[in-house]
Amino acid sequence: QQQVKQSPQSLIVQKGGISIINCAYENTAFDYFPWYQQFPGKGPALLIAIRPDVSEKKEGRFTISFNKSAKQFSLHIMDSQPGDSATYFCAASKESGNTPLVFGKGTRLSVIA
Amino acid sequence: GAGVSQSPRYKVAKRGQDVALRCDPISGHVSLFWYQQALGQGPEFLTYFQNEAQLDKSGLPSDRFFAERPEGSVSTLKIQRTQQEDSAVYLCASSRTSSQETQYFGPGTRLLVL
Repeated sequence: QQQVKQSPQSLIVQKGGISIINCAYENTAFDYFPWYQQFPGKGPALLIAIRPDVSEKKEGRFTISFNKSAKQFSLHIMDSQPGDSATYFCAASKESGNTPLVFGKGTRLSVIA
Repeated sequence: GAGVSQSPRYKVAKRGQDVALRCDPISGHVSLFWYQQALGQGPEFLTYFQNEAQLDKSGLPSDRFFAERPEGSVSTLKIQRTQQEDSAVYLCASSRTSSQETQYFGPGTRLLVL
């Protein structure tokens, strides 16, 4: 049973465009939702995270939108740049204690000039 | 400061060999996680330590997998009698406290079992 479903699997965006990646979760106990960025040969690095008490969080060109009733959240990358080309993972975990992250399967983003 | 480091970065093993993968977390970090990442997939949880205590090992796929963190810092993931399906990248992550906080990942060890 996949607890966090991520789409699309791959995405090609023109430089300067908006990249949108979507995730849906099933476990209502989840209350911490980070996005990680991973370059080839590197470990995942935290990009931005949100908790369900807010519907949106913005950091620079990156925005998370969160819909608690629909159990969905998405990452928007504004003004996408070739350097943003990487694999993006959404994840979720429960806040009680330090609990493991449950990851989506990832989205491979390619930003072309 | 130094991030999470892992060694070796690459490991080739013959089927049936035992392997040991090392993780050096960020100094002072209380929590340490191991994840397994198959090719083209997201990381999947293996086990979690809070200091030297292994609090959750529910993700270990079989009894061939064993992890330890005897002094609450460096951790070792050991895989006995490796099988081809063990081929994956093994990621280690640490976080500063025992409450929910950012997990910082190492670069991983890529294991190939022939």
